Amino acid sequence: GAGVSQSPSNKVTEKGKDVELRCDPISGHTALYWYRQSLGQGLEFLIYFQGNSAPDKSGLPSDRFSAERTGGSVSTLTIQRTQQEDSAVYLCASSEPLRDTQYFGPGTRLTVL
Amino acid sequence: QKEVEQDPGPLSVPEGAIVSLNCTYSNSAFQYFMWYRQYSRKGPELLMYTYSSGNKEDGRFTAQVDKSSKYISLFIRDSQPSDSATYLCAMSRGSTLGRLYFGRGTQLTVWP
Repeated sequence: GAGVSQSPSNKVTEKGKDVELRCDPISGHTALYWYRQSLGQGLEFLIYFQGNSAPDKSGLPSDRFSAERTGGSVSTLTIQRTQQEDSAVYLCASSEPLRDTQYFGPGTRLTVL
Repeated sequence: QKEVEQDPGPLSVPEGAIVSLNCTYSNSAFQYFMWYRQYSRKGPELLMYTYSSGNKEDGRFTAQVDKSSKYISLFIRDSQPSDSATYLCAMSRGSTLGRLYFGRGTQLTVWP
C-alpha cells in the first residue's frame, strides 16, 4: 500500500521567507509526527498529532514554527521568517492507533540561503 | 547528557562479518525499543521492534534489550554490502505517549 508521502522533496529558500512543508500519512493512521534531522545528528522531535489535536508541541524550537492537521489526515508544517539554522531534513511519520511503530516518509530537504 | 547515546561510528566491515550496534539510555520509563535503517537521502525504515527486555530475531538480524543495564543491541549476521546504511536506535515510553527518542545513528559500511 501507499506509504507516507511528503512534498516538496527539496526546498531552497532565502533567509526571511516563509515555507510550508506537507505530509500525507498512511491511510487510517491516526497519529502523525514531525521530526527534524540535521547533518550528522539524530532525529529531533518537533510535534505530535493525535487526530487533529497536538498533545505534544514541546519540540518546536521557536514560535516561528507551527503545524496543523486537518481532517485527521494531511499535515502542514510552517516555518516563518526562515533562518539558516533551519536548514535540515524534515521528516514526517505516522502510526496506527495505540501502536508505537512509526513509519516515515522520505523527508523534505530544506536549504535556507 | 542526551537520553539516548549511540556511537556514530563510522563502522566498516568486510562482507560476511557479524556486526554489533548498540545504544545506551538513561530513562528507565522506556518500554518499547526499535531499530531503524536509513539509506542515504531516504527516510528511516523500521527494521526491528521489541517490547521490554529480551531478544528478537528476524532473519539475519537480532535485537537485544537489557533494561537492567539500559542497553540495547542490534546484531547483523552474514553482513552484505546492501546493509551499508545508517542505523538508528529509537525508544518510547508507551503507545499513548507519542514521540520516539532517537540515537544519533551509526554509519555502517560493508565492503565486498
